[in-house]
Amino acid sequence: ETGVTQSPTHLIKTRGQQVTLRCSSQSGHNTVSWYQQALGQGPQFIFQYYREEENGRGNFPPRFSGLQFPNYSSELNVNALELDDSALYLCASSSVGNRRTEAFFGQGTRLTVV
Amino acid sequence: GDSVTQMEGPVTLSEEAFLTINCTYTATGYPSLFWYVQYPGEGLQLLLKATKADDKGSNKGFEATYRKETTSFHLEKGSVQVSDSAVYFCALRGDSSYKLIFGSGTRLLVRP
Repeated sequence: ETGVTQSPTHLIKTRGQQVTLRCSSQSGHNTVSWYQQALGQGPQFIFQYYREEENGRGNFPPRFSGLQFPNYSSELNVNALELDDSALYLCASSSVGNRRTEAFFGQGTRLTVV
Repeated sequence: GDSVTQMEGPVTLSEEAFLTINCTYTATGYPSLFWYVQYPGEGLQLLLKATKADDKGSNKGFEATYRKETTSFHLEKGSVQVSDSAVYFCALRGDSSYKLIFGSGTRLLVRP
């Protein structure tokens, strides 16, 4: 068991709406990353947060935004949802620095935009 | 930019058959290489990794060797089980990066 939990597990939204996905990192990890996995594809990096600041971003528009809280939990927010945003959203926690660890993934949130 | 290419699936094998899933990469410097596995309805689990050339990662009977000369990291298992049925992703992380770059995945189906 990785200890990374995501909520909700499934979500249906209408085009144009906004959505917030949540992630609770594994204990002791200080970094959280978010990935989008479209059906039949590999995960694509959205962004990473370290010490509550975004410190890396993939090729996603600004309507994808995030937060990391002092307890290292995180949110992914997507505004103005589009049909192509339908995907599995994966959160991964890890540690950087002297006690570096590899990324541990949660089970994901399946978002369907209709 | 950095990229990962995997063999297309699905790969269908009988139980106890030998498995190879090919993975090649393009990257500058010395990336770390990974294999992740995704079971139906679940997230990704790290299967094995290698961080430098000629390293062999291994776990649960799976192995992969980091071949810098051929820029490859092929996944192998000597005898697959039905429970190995899943989607397998090859991935890399650049030597000065934090993000993982994934291949498109290879679905493995093992028949009894």
